[in-house]
Parts: sequence; structure tokens; C-alpha cells
Amino acid sequence: DGGITQSPKYLFRKEGQNVTLSCEQNLNHDAMYWYRQDPGQGLRLIYYSQIVNDFQKGDIAEGYSVSREKKESFPLTVTSAQKNPTAFYLCASSRKRRGTDTQYFGPGTRLTVL
Amino acid sequence: DAKTTQPNSMESNEEEPVHLPCNHSTISGTDYIHWYRQLPSQGPEYVIHGLTSNVNNRMASLAIAEDRKSSTLILHRATLRDAAVYYCIRHLGSQGNLIFGKGTKLSVKP
Repeated sequence: DGGITQSPKYLFRKEGQNVTLSCEQNLNHDAMYWYRQDPGQGLRLIYYSQIVNDFQKGDIAEGYSVSREKKESFPLTVTSAQKNPTAFYLCASSRKRRGTDTQYFGPGTRLTVL
Repeated sequence: DAKTTQPNSMESNEEEPVHLPCNHSTISGTDYIHWYRQLPSQGPEYVIHGLTSNVNNRMASLAIAEDRKSSTLILHRATLRDAAVYYCIRHLGSQGNLIFGKGTKLSVKP
């Protein structure tokens, strides 16, 4: 079964802690993305990567970090510098970043800061 | 602003066609129009995309205006499973990123 997996589904964090969200894809896609979604809002791009060992900031990268050491994996770390981290986090991948390329989304991780 | 304009919500009856409008008046020649839909607490799902010509697939049809400043997603026979938030998105040709707005929440009545 090809697709994108995210773990965990729910994550609770105490203030001041860093947490890492996992994203894995077995679609052999070059491009991967992280989005954040707040209640009643659309998705906002945090980071994206076009190729292994390369990634770029999206619209709201402050307080987040990523790595792309393997083609199939793109973990997101939410650092203590992120002021309001409670949100629904979505990972996606696409073959490339062309206008014809479809993005495939994972099921998401809901992060709550206690 | 790269975001599109969509109605906040629409209602449809089951088994009737649904036309979801979208305005993208600032679109450039290399931008594709993508439609995704999202069920509560799930990731968005791709529906359809196009550049200039009308497009059809098993899920829906996409009608793009001749001047490309607007488009319409057509669900030919709405089912209860089609109830979702539908996003009309400009896929920026120069950046390759999807710019999501708030979308249209579609309700389907039995």
C-alpha cells in the first residue's frame, strides 16, 4: 500500500518542550511538505523540500525545524520558540513541484500544548 | 494576493449536481488551478486540476473560464460522502506551492 504515514495521531506537549512529528512516504516522491492548520482555516506552509538534504522555509517557518536525510522521511520539530504550537499538522508529498503534480497528504498529527 | 475567493458554505441535495465557484482574478499564465477537499480531522484529498481547458475525471469536472479569472468545480451527483470543505487553489507556476484559502464547506442533504 503506497501512501504517507504520520505519527503520532495525537501529541501532547508541555510548554518549553521540543517535539518531533514523523512523516514517511513510500511513493518515491522527490518533494515533501509540512503544513499547519488552525480551526476553521486553510493550510499554511511551514517548510518544503525538493530533494534529499535540501529544504526551504515556507510562510510560517519561525519556531519550526526540519531535516531531509532520506528521500522517504521528512520529520518536523516544533521547538519551544514556537509561541502558539497547538494546531493540526499535515505532511504531504508530490512527485516534483510542478503545476501538474498532485500533492498527497497524510492523516495529520494533532498537537496540543498543555 | 495569491489566494482565491470562494463562498464560505453551500448546500446541496443528494443526487443533484453541485457547482462550486471560485474566483482567481490575479492568476498568471503559468498557474494551474487545483481543487482539493477535506473531511473533518483528515488530510486534504486531491480532486482535479487544470490550466486552460475543461477537465473531467471520475470524481468531478472542472470548468475554467476563457479569461481564466474564475473556475467551477462540478460534482455531477452529490452523495452524502461528498460533504466536505472544498479548496480551490492556485498552484503558483513560479514557486510550485499550493496556497490554501478557507474553502467552501459543502453540506449535502438526504
